Amino acid sequence: GAVVSQHPSRVICKSGTSVKIECRSLDFQATTMFWYRQFPKKSLMLMATSNEGSKATYEQGVEKDKFLINHASLTLSTLTVTSAHPEDSSFYICSARDILFGTDTQYFGPGTRLTVL
Amino acid sequence: QKEVEQNSGPLSVPEGAIASLNCTYSDRGSQSFFWYRQYSGKSPELIMSIYSNGDKEDGRFTAQLNKASQYVSLLIRDSQPSDSATYLCAVNIGSARQLTFGSGTQLTVLP
Repeated sequence: GAVVSQHPSRVICKSGTSVKIECRSLDFQATTMFWYRQFPKKSLMLMATSNEGSKATYEQGVEKDKFLINHASLTLSTLTVTSAHPEDSSFYICSARDILFGTDTQYFGPGTRLTVL
Repeated sequence: QKEVEQNSGPLSVPEGAIASLNCTYSDRGSQSFFWYRQYSGKSPELIMSIYSNGDKEDGRFTAQLNKASQYVSLLIRDSQPSDSATYLCAVNIGSARQLTFGSGTQLTVLP
C-alpha cells in the first residue's frame, strides 16, 4: 500500500512557541491531504482538508489562524501549531488521499505526538 | 442518527475464533467503504476497502457490503492476540472527499 510519513514523530515544546509538522506522501501524489487530532481513548477528529495549491478547508470550531496549513506540493503538507498552549497537546495525524486507478483511499501517516509544557 | 455507527464494544473473542465487526451508515449514495485498525498510541492502518456489494477476502479478513441494508462488516477468522486493537469503519459520505469515521470497536482476542 501507499506510504505516508510524518515528521517529527514526537515533539515537546514550551508554551507560546510554534511547532511545524510535515506530512509527506512517499510513493504517490496527493492533491488532498487531511489533518486530524486525537485525544487519548477518543475518536479521530478531522481538523482540516489540505488542498494542493489552494487554501485549506477547516472544520467548524478549528481556528485557522492557530493551525496553519500549507500544501505547497503534491507530496507535502505542513501543519503549524502557532503559539502552542498545553491544551494543544494531542496526537496529530495526517492522511493523504490516493485516487489512482479509480480507487479513492486515504492512507495515514504515523502521527505526531505534541506535548506543550 | 450518526452518519456512521459502530458497536463500541468492547468485543472479546477467544484466540482462533471469528471476530465479527459491524457498521451501518446513513447515506444511501455512499460508494466507498473502509476498515482501519488502530493499535493503542498508533495511527490508523488500512485493513480493507470495499466498493461493491458482496464479500471481499484478504487473508484472514473478509469485508462484506450490503448497500441495500446500508451496512458493512468485517470478519476476522482465526483471531490472534495481535488482532487486539480498535477497528474503525470509514465511509465516503455522498460525494465528500473526506472520510466519516465510526467511533470504533475495541476488539480483544484472549489467548
